Amino acid sequence: EAAVTQSPRNKVAVTGGKVTLSCNQTNNHNNMYWYRQDTGHGLRLIHYSYGAGSTEKGDIPDGYKASRPSQENFSLILELATPSQTSVYFCASGGDRGNTLYFGAGTRLSVL
Amino acid sequence: GQQVKQSSPSLTVQEGGILILNCDYENDMFDYFAWYKKYPDNSPTLLISVRSNVDKREDGRFTVFLNKSGKHFSLHITASQPEDTAVYLCAAGENSGGSNYKLTFGKGTLLTVTP
Repeated sequence: EAAVTQSPRNKVAVTGGKVTLSCNQTNNHNNMYWYRQDTGHGLRLIHYSYGAGSTEKGDIPDGYKASRPSQENFSLILELATPSQTSVYFCASGGDRGNTLYFGAGTRLSVL
Repeated sequence: GQQVKQSSPSLTVQEGGILILNCDYENDMFDYFAWYKKYPDNSPTLLISVRSNVDKREDGRFTVFLNKSGKHFSLHITASQPEDTAVYLCAAGENSGGSNYKLTFGKGTLLTVTP
């Protein structure tokens, strides 16, 4: 079964600070995604990647950067965190030819 | 605007009943349609999916119907059980080149099945 691991699981950050959320997948999927989940909004796509070295903007990329240094790893970077970025963030892999997305357990981020 | 819309934020059904969850989409390029299930404090998992060349797919108690001309798809659940209580997220995917897909999710419907 696909394994997607996110770290950290919980994070408290200060406004203006830098936050890096990490995601690792062990199933050699080409595609990886970062979503955030907020009440009343469901899952919204922030950034995604089709393979090492590639990153694409999703539907709500402002305030976020992404990095895909290898097939296995995909990071989401908040250079200057703001309270509006308090959310639960999910990483996912898969999606090739529209196939199943496998999600990590989520990272709960609070920006104070 | 929102590309994938779920019409009901919440639904309640009695155990054993039949229910229908609905999803509307706007993008003509979507050719993959799915329903994900999410328990509180857990990650979403795929429940059932269908491609645009098929208008129905059944898997046990779960059936997805696709109406392409109406840009609408739905999830039918029969013989509902308390363990079906969860948030159901519809998703639509478009091919963005090669084998690459981008999935867009709806806001979710909280389903509660009462004993």
